[in-house]
Amino acid sequence: EPEVTQTPSHQVTQMGQEVILRCVPISNHLYFYWYRQILGQKVEFLVSFYNNEISEKSEIFDDQFSVERPDGSNFTLKIRSTKLEDSAMYFCASHSGTSSTDTQYFGPGTRLTVL
Amino acid sequence: RKEVEQDPGPFNVPEGATVAFNCTYSNSASQSFFWYRQDCRKEPKLLMSVYSSGNEDGRFTAQLNRASQYISLLIRDSKLSDSATYLCVVKRSSNTGKLIFGQGTTLQVKP
Repeated sequence: EPEVTQTPSHQVTQMGQEVILRCVPISNHLYFYWYRQILGQKVEFLVSFYNNEISEKSEIFDDQFSVERPDGSNFTLKIRSTKLEDSAMYFCASHSGTSSTDTQYFGPGTRLTVL
Repeated sequence: RKEVEQDPGPFNVPEGATVAFNCTYSNSASQSFFWYRQDCRKEPKLLMSVYSSGNEDGRFTAQLNRASQYISLLIRDSKLSDSATYLCVVKRSSNTGKLIFGQGTTLQVKP
């Protein structure tokens, strides 16, 4: 069964450093998303991406965040200058866009720890 | 007010029990509804979509009441492997719009 993959599984970084989280969505999917989940809290939407541009973003997704689809397979989330409060699980998801009853399929996540 | 509200639990039940989870949503424009399951430190996985007519998948039954903005999940004959957090999820408007998650209800099934 096709699946969303994410790398790395765990990233440890120092405050103020840049990090890039990588995702490979399901191959025929057209819509891509990033969500985050701070430990003990709910899953929160960050950004959606379609046709090489952001289609929606939340208030969390400020100027420190950016997304890119540099080639036909990877979808990346960059945090330019990490803060302690960026520590969370980051989930990538993708959607085929073909059915109103279809939903998003999530990758296994990257655990980001900012020290 | 949270857009999707769930009782966080935990619900502690013996194997074989029937357990019901409830969820309310505040935005009447919400279009699609789902139950996801999340195991500890893992990604959310789709359990089932929820339709107005109600739907069943084996031991799991989901119901949607649009008038009351209320969603439910019933698990019959609980198994130890059902222990997880169950996430109520809604999607507004477009087919490909963002998912809005509740905080989840934790279920612990005990032998």
